[in-house]
Amino acid sequence: DAGVIQSPRHEVTEMGQEVTLRCKPISGHNSLFWYRQTMMRGLELLIYFNNNVPIDDSGMPEDRFSAKMPNASFSTLKIQPSEPRDSAVYFCASSLASLAKNIQYFGAGTRLSVL
Amino acid sequence: AQRVTQPEKLLSVFKGAPVELKCNYSYSGSPELFWYVQYSRQRLQLLLRHISRESIKGFTADLNKGETSFHLKKPFAQEEDSAMYYCALSGHNTDKLIFGTGTRLQVFP
Repeated sequence: DAGVIQSPRHEVTEMGQEVTLRCKPISGHNSLFWYRQTMMRGLELLIYFNNNVPIDDSGMPEDRFSAKMPNASFSTLKIQPSEPRDSAVYFCASSLASLAKNIQYFGAGTRLSVL
Repeated sequence: AQRVTQPEKLLSVFKGAPVELKCNYSYSGSPELFWYVQYSRQRLQLLLRHISRESIKGFTADLNKGETSFHLKKPFAQEEDSAMYYCALSGHNTDKLIFGTGTRLQVFP
């Protein structure tokens, strides 16, 4: 398995534009997590899904952020409109909740720069 | 409130010196504690978890419920240990992990 796959690896956009980040979890995993990493705040959980259903979105900063998981092999995190303060590295992670609970496998991340 | 505190943003030591990365937590109940590590240009990955009571790459961590701590220790640091280390907490009824802000460990030759 190639592990958790995120795309794009780097994204540079202008303020006000829509940004879509993509994630393919490890096949067979039933939980998916979106995190944001910044120097000041470290790693923050934005939202997580279990069996494609959003369970906890309390970390989503505001209405500009939305996440979907239409099926077990794909998720998106969308920012619309983007702002410079959204610049960060966004990580996706997946886990198999029934075994080795809470061991999460991370993607390589998407580095987002909003100018 | 559930919280993980890593008081040091940066820890610098020389090769061969002992290392202790501090982690304190706040949780009402019995949490599971983890250490994740991110080496340069690599993905964040699990280093160890307290229930396994194992030593990985020479690192150990003991859960001290009285002090609500889960410090990561290694008796002799190596240059390849240089990385970002995150302490994380999870409750028994959730898949969610709460991470600390991380400590960057620099091991000088």
